[in-house]
Amino acid sequence: DGGITQSPKYLFRKEGQNVTLSCEQNLNHDAMYWYRQDPGQGLRLIYYSQIVNDFQKGDIAEGYSVSREKKESFPLTVTSAQKNPTAFYLCASIPGPGGGYTFGSGTRLTVV
Amino acid sequence: SQQGEEDPQALSIQEGENATMNCSYKTSINNLQWYRQNSGRGLVHLILIRSNEREKHSGRLRVTLDTSKKSSSLLITASRAADTASYFCATDAFGNEKLTFGTGTRLTIIP
Repeated sequence: DGGITQSPKYLFRKEGQNVTLSCEQNLNHDAMYWYRQDPGQGLRLIYYSQIVNDFQKGDIAEGYSVSREKKESFPLTVTSAQKNPTAFYLCASIPGPGGGYTFGSGTRLTVV
Repeated sequence: SQQGEEDPQALSIQEGENATMNCSYKTSINNLQWYRQNSGRGLVHLILIRSNEREKHSGRLRVTLDTSKKSSSLLITASRAADTASYFCATDAFGNEKLTFGTGTRLTIIP
């Protein structure tokens, strides 16, 4: 079955560490997105990519970085510059304009 | 920034009743979408309504859109326990695929 796979499901980060969240899709979708969700809140856009080797900042890109070397993969790195990284991270993709997003099941990141 | 605002923030109803939740947004849109999120999971796309449409149905779901009031409503008829979830509206603008999400309505169906 086609879909989006996010890993790991749970991730713990020590202060000062960089961590990378994986997002892989086998839907042949062009555009991919990373959102952050804090408890009881909506989703905020971190980064998005509409084509391989190109990506744009979203509303809250500071302290995060991404790459899009392959169509199927859009990893998100949470750097030590992100001061409040504890959150639920969601990856999504879309085949083209005007359609519904397909979401992964999320990664819950906790700073310890 | 949050484009949409759902109302109410939380809603509890008896199983079998209808549930209505509303979404207001601030700027002109191309499409408005509704998503469901079960606790601790990803979002699931429910329905999309275009800016030139006024009403759309999908199974037990009915969505309306009033662009003059910048608002939408989602009606779930004959609710079931499995409908317990958070519901989010999301909008995109013309020429921009980015979705901006509202703050969500937490729906609880009481068996």
